[in-house]
Amino acid sequence: DAGVIQSPRHEVTEMGQEVTLRCKPISGHNSLFWYRQTMMRGLELLIYFNNNVPIDDSGMPEDRFSAKMPNASFSTLKIQPSEPRDSAVYFCASRLRVAAQETQYFGPGTRLLVL
Amino acid sequence: GENVEQHPSTLSVQEGDSAVIKCTYSDSASNYFPWYKQELGKGPQLIIDIRSNVGEKKDQRIAVTLNKTAKHFSLHITETQPEDSAVYFCAASDRAAGNKLTFGGGTRVLVKP
Repeated sequence: DAGVIQSPRHEVTEMGQEVTLRCKPISGHNSLFWYRQTMMRGLELLIYFNNNVPIDDSGMPEDRFSAKMPNASFSTLKIQPSEPRDSAVYFCASRLRVAAQETQYFGPGTRLLVL
Repeated sequence: GENVEQHPSTLSVQEGDSAVIKCTYSDSASNYFPWYKQELGKGPQLIIDIRSNVGEKKDQRIAVTLNKTAKHFSLHITETQPEDSAVYFCAASDRAAGNKLTFGGGTRVLVKP
């Protein structure tokens, strides 16, 4: 298996621009998580989906952030408009949500720099 | 909600020595405790995990212990090697809360040859 795939791996953009991050979970997994990692705040859960349905978006910082999962094999995290404080590494993780299966597998991340 | 504290934030050890990282959690309902290793430029990778019905688990040079009463869990790496140098994260999750993982702040481990 190729593991969790994220694109792009690096993104540099200017303040005010729209940014779209993409994630392909491991085939067969039915839970997907978006995290943000910064030096100041560590690893923060932004939102997660079960069976393509958003379950908890309490970690989404503000309305500029939105996430979708149109099908079991694809999810996007969008920031519009982007701000310099959004600069971080964004990780997607997936999990097979069945009894006693709780391991989350992380993708390689997207390093975002907003100038 | 759950709060996970991790110590130390940095750890430097000589190759061959042991390394110990400690975490505490706040929610007594948490029942799953994974440890992740993150190398530079990569995503976190699971190295070992433990569930609340087990007190200790070993996998070659790594082991994890759990004290539910004190709400402590620890990672032990024996016979450290340079390739063990990385950032290690502990986490806790509560099945009743949807198995969301709450991460500790991370420990940067440097193994000196």
